[in-house]
Amino acid sequence: DAGITQSPRHKVTETGTPVTLRCHQTENHRYMYWYRQDPGHGLRLIHYSYGVKDTDKGEVSDGYSVSRSKTEDFLLTLESATSSQTSVYFCAISESGSRSGNTIYFGEGSWLTVV
Amino acid sequence: AQTVTQSQPEMSVQEAETVTLSCTYDTSESDYYLFWYKQPPSRQMILVIRQEAYKQQNATENRFSVNFQKAAKSFSLKISDSQLGDAAMYFCAYRSSGANSKLTFGKGITLSVRP
Repeated sequence: DAGITQSPRHKVTETGTPVTLRCHQTENHRYMYWYRQDPGHGLRLIHYSYGVKDTDKGEVSDGYSVSRSKTEDFLLTLESATSSQTSVYFCAISESGSRSGNTIYFGEGSWLTVV
Repeated sequence: AQTVTQSQPEMSVQEAETVTLSCTYDTSESDYYLFWYKQPPSRQMILVIRQEAYKQQNATENRFSVNFQKAAKSFSLKISDSQLGDAAMYFCAYRSSGANSKLTFGKGITLSVRP
């Protein structure tokens, strides 16, 4: 199993409060991703990183920000949580974009409920 | 932008029988990767099988095999000798081979296995 740890695994928060989800990897992989999973939508990319301090937006990035100050950690922040951000959040990692390491491995998910 | 379509939301199979899950995708690229992920009730994303577009031979992993039709942009998953533990949601996913490439998912299909 890929060494990916997400924290917290479960969280309930109130509307308008900031929330940070952490993804930690022990694989020294270059690429890291944040996805959200909602019924009827599969997994949708929020943000991703292709190196330290190198990040880019995915298809559902509004209301989210990310930071990657070191290889092993990728943080997802909801500046002011809304009920529409209630979801399961998955972190994923990948060694590279080359032929040799294109498989993406996922963490166990973080359940976030915004009330 | 690439899209992945899984048109069947649910399927059911008798234990020990064979089932095929369908997936189509749309891309203008010639070099890419395709994946099937399994998500059991635990929500863990488990890689089932992957296919490189430049390879003509269909990928196989034990009871799981794919039918990759590049011209038709079709990528179906065949599960042989279905087991109760195969019951899960299955996602088809696409990733281009370029740098900073992202993984795009279909909406998933729920597979149930009848004893």
